[in-house]
Amino acid sequence: DSGVTQTPKHLITATGQRVTLRCSPRSGDLSVYWYQQSLDQGLQFLIQYYNGEERAKGNILERFSAQQFPDLHSELNLSSLELGDSALYFCASSVRGAHEQFFGPGTRLTVL
Amino acid sequence: DQQVKQNSPSLSVQEGRISILNCDYTNSMFDYFLWYKKYPAEGPTFLISISSIKDKNEDGRFTVFLNKSAKHLSLHIVPSQPGDSAVYFCAASGSFGNEKLTFGTGTRLTIIP
Repeated sequence: DSGVTQTPKHLITATGQRVTLRCSPRSGDLSVYWYQQSLDQGLQFLIQYYNGEERAKGNILERFSAQQFPDLHSELNLSSLELGDSALYFCASSVRGAHEQFFGPGTRLTVL
Repeated sequence: DQQVKQNSPSLSVQEGRISILNCDYTNSMFDYFLWYKKYPAEGPTFLISISSIKDKNEDGRFTVFLNKSAKHLSLHIVPSQPGDSAVYFCAASGSFGNEKLTFGTGTRLTIIP
């Protein structure tokens, strides 16, 4: 158990819909990262937050957005969903400046 | 553009023998390298890491070797155990302030009892 929690574990929705994925980092970790793992691609970095502020952005679609709240939990919002958004979404956390990231169990999103 | 490559999608090793997983990278700005292990339906689990200023790091049965001139790293597991069967991902990150991870596509390791 990494100490990072993600909810929900599974999510099934339809094209065009909007969903919110939630992540709680390990106690004491200020950095939160979001990654996407599709079938045909490896783990791809989406976005990083540090202590409530956006720190780095990867290949995140404009239809996707994220935020980190004062209690340090983070949410990833996916809107206007398409079939190709079906993937595993992982959240990870780390202490400031550390390269080692600790991953949650992931949310499996299925868009029908 | 695949900056971190794991050219072997799968590897089978007899229990008790050494498992060697390989990883190549192209971006010379990478400063830190990590190995993660992943079981189905779980998140990646951190195994071991190495800074670019070192060429070897050991932790129990796991050793990571880094060859900067060849832009190559490897993970050695010895002795291999059945519980080591999983997908192994190599990852790389930049210097302080650029800690996002760039992952390879993974190698599925199967330990044969």
